[in-house]
Amino acid sequence: AQSVTQLDSHVSVSEGTPVLLRCNYSSSYSPSLFWYVQHPNKGLQLLLKYTSAATLVKGINGFEAEFKKSETSFHLTKPSAHMSDAAEYFCVSSGTYKYIFGTGTRLKVLA
Amino acid sequence: DGGITQSPKYLFRKEGQNVTLSCEQNLNHDAMYWYRQDPGQGLRLIYYSQIVNDFQKGDIAEGYSVSREKKESFPLTVTSAQKNPTAFYLCASSSGTSGRWAGELFFGEGSRLTVL
Repeated sequence: AQSVTQLDSHVSVSEGTPVLLRCNYSSSYSPSLFWYVQHPNKGLQLLLKYTSAATLVKGINGFEAEFKKSETSFHLTKPSAHMSDAAEYFCVSSGTYKYIFGTGTRLKVLA
Repeated sequence: DGGITQSPKYLFRKEGQNVTLSCEQNLNHDAMYWYRQDPGQGLRLIYYSQIVNDFQKGDIAEGYSVSREKKESFPLTVTSAQKNPTAFYLCASSSGTSGRWAGELFFGEGSRLTVL
């Protein structure tokens, strides 16, 4: 069965330091993979997507993710955290007519 | 601008009442989805529809109903049979292609339902 595992439920970083949010997926094929961000009481906004083209994907607001098939991972990174990055982040995989969501990682950015 | 509109943003319901959440999209997407989000939890799929006049149950369909009479509309009714309806509800749409060719999900701003 397909699944998405976000390895950390909470991550805290200091402003200006790198961000790493980890995501592993399980699928019988190479799925489309997505990272979304959600601010409180808002819908989800797409940060970036992988659809079997380049394995290093650049997204909005300085985020990027690397698809590693051998490790079945799709970790999200950003070189320097900003206070406005504090939010919930979801890793999502495409399935058969449905999407599979990770349980989310709450990112806290310390001043 | 193209997007998804959910209404109302906030809704209060007395126990025993049915309520309907509206979801409209002008993205010309075939597929539409309803998700439920509880505090500190991820998204759980309630219902989805790949095409007009057709829809399927998701993982937590009990106590909910939907219709898909028009491509752009996918309303969700929370019935009195739903034992714990207080939650944040998100509607989404996509181009509908599945698997490795799937397009991204576009989300509305959500509707927060509180049972009094």
